[in-house]
Amino acid sequence: QPQLVESGGGVVQPGTSLRLSCAASGFTFKNYGMHWVRQAPGKGLEWVAVIWYDGTKEFYTDAVKGRFTISRDNSKTTVYLQMNSLRVEDTAVYYCAREGFDPWGQGTLVTVSS
Amino acid sequence: DIVMTQSPDSLAVSLGERATINCKSSQSIFDTSDKKNRLAWFHQKPGQPPKLLLYWASTRESGVPDRFSGSGSGTHFTLTISSLQADDVGVFYCQQDHSPPYTFGQGTTLEIK
Repeated sequence: QPQLVESGGGVVQPGTSLRLSCAASGFTFKNYGMHWVRQAPGKGLEWVAVIWYDGTKEFYTDAVKGRFTISRDNSKTTVYLQMNSLRVEDTAVYYCAREGFDPWGQGTLVTVSS
Repeated sequence: DIVMTQSPDSLAVSLGERATINCKSSQSIFDTSDKKNRLAWFHQKPGQPPKLLLYWASTRESGVPDRFSGSGSGTHFTLTISSLQADDVGVFYCQQDHSPPYTFGQGTTLEIK
């Protein structure tokens, strides 16, 4: 069955960088677009970014444009989220999800704090 | 950007009773190319990722009980739970995937009365 596992979260200071990874298995990864969605503590869901199945297109929410970059390596069946210039308001659980928003990973917590 | 607005923010329903959640989009999310409403519903329990319940406004994901149903078109949509079970508590979200950013509603918290 399809499965997604995120990693790379942690506690970082404002202005620094972090790269999240999402390892996929159980499906033909190269055929699907991939999303990142985040959820701040006690808050709702916020869609962050998407990358097309072949990596030719990317879209971002305004709050992260110019700071975050989504990428993928189809040979490693992994999607990444490079997060630069992190802000306190980026603190959240970051989920990856397959095109169609099923399945989702369990999430990885990013805490930005001084 | 398309703004998704859910109502109510929270509701309490007795076991076995009907629960209804509404979702409104700021512009039509009907996709003329495939004649689908690009609206999905998710259920999230504490400490878990969201689970897809319905897509295309009314198509149940595999394995989702038939007490969950969706309706609506264009800009107004409804999620109905026909007979509330204890396992249905949590937060429900609507989301549009018509055009990026693929925005979510603010969520509706469902409790047992």
